[in-house]
Amino acid sequence: GQNIDQPTEMTATEGAIVQINCTYQTSGFNGLFWYQQHAGEAPTFLSYNVLDGLEEKGRFSSFLSRSKGYSYLLLKELQMKDSASYLCAVVDSNYQLIWGAGTKLIIKP
Amino acid sequence: IAGITQAPTSQILAAGRRMTLRCTQDMRHNAMYWYRQDLGLGLRLIHYSNTAGTTGKGEVPDGYSVSRANTDDFPLTLASAVPSQTSVYFCASSDGDVNNEQFFGPGTRLTVL
Repeated sequence: GQNIDQPTEMTATEGAIVQINCTYQTSGFNGLFWYQQHAGEAPTFLSYNVLDGLEEKGRFSSFLSRSKGYSYLLLKELQMKDSASYLCAVVDSNYQLIWGAGTKLIIKP
Repeated sequence: IAGITQAPTSQILAAGRRMTLRCTQDMRHNAMYWYRQDLGLGLRLIHYSNTAGTTGKGEVPDGYSVSRANTDDFPLTLASAVPSQTSVYFCASSDGDVNNEQFFGPGTRLTVL
């Protein structure tokens, strides 16, 4: 079966750095997305990785290792507005998008 | 309209009733998707459409139907609602295939009693 694993919940402090991990077991791989979803709102796109390595975009970075079936989202200089769920999603060999259940990130002052 | 809209925002529905959730986008995206989101589970694809006039089944299509008569609209119909269809429904669109960013509507919160 296909599986995306993410921690259910994480807590971090305002101004700190947090790393949210995502591991996947899918039938093939054609790309990985990270989306942010605030409570009661729609998901919004953060990043897309298809090659190994780190993609940096402001305070957010996303890393991919295809050989390890592993990605992480790195959030720097955390702000209260970063409190949200972070969704990992993988495009499999059939070009279907498989979604993880998401990681709820709680930021404390 | 800017982006993608859904209607209604929320709805309480008696079991056995028919219901259509509306979705409209003004970005001229070719691909559109319907997801349901339940607590503790990832987004699950119900149906999708790669282009106007074509539709396909996703992971959980049973009890749902869709149509894509034009580029902008992608309604989702529950022919005879059941309590297990209580969920938050999101419509999304993308320019090109599934490797492109998806833009989501604000969602419809549906409760079936």
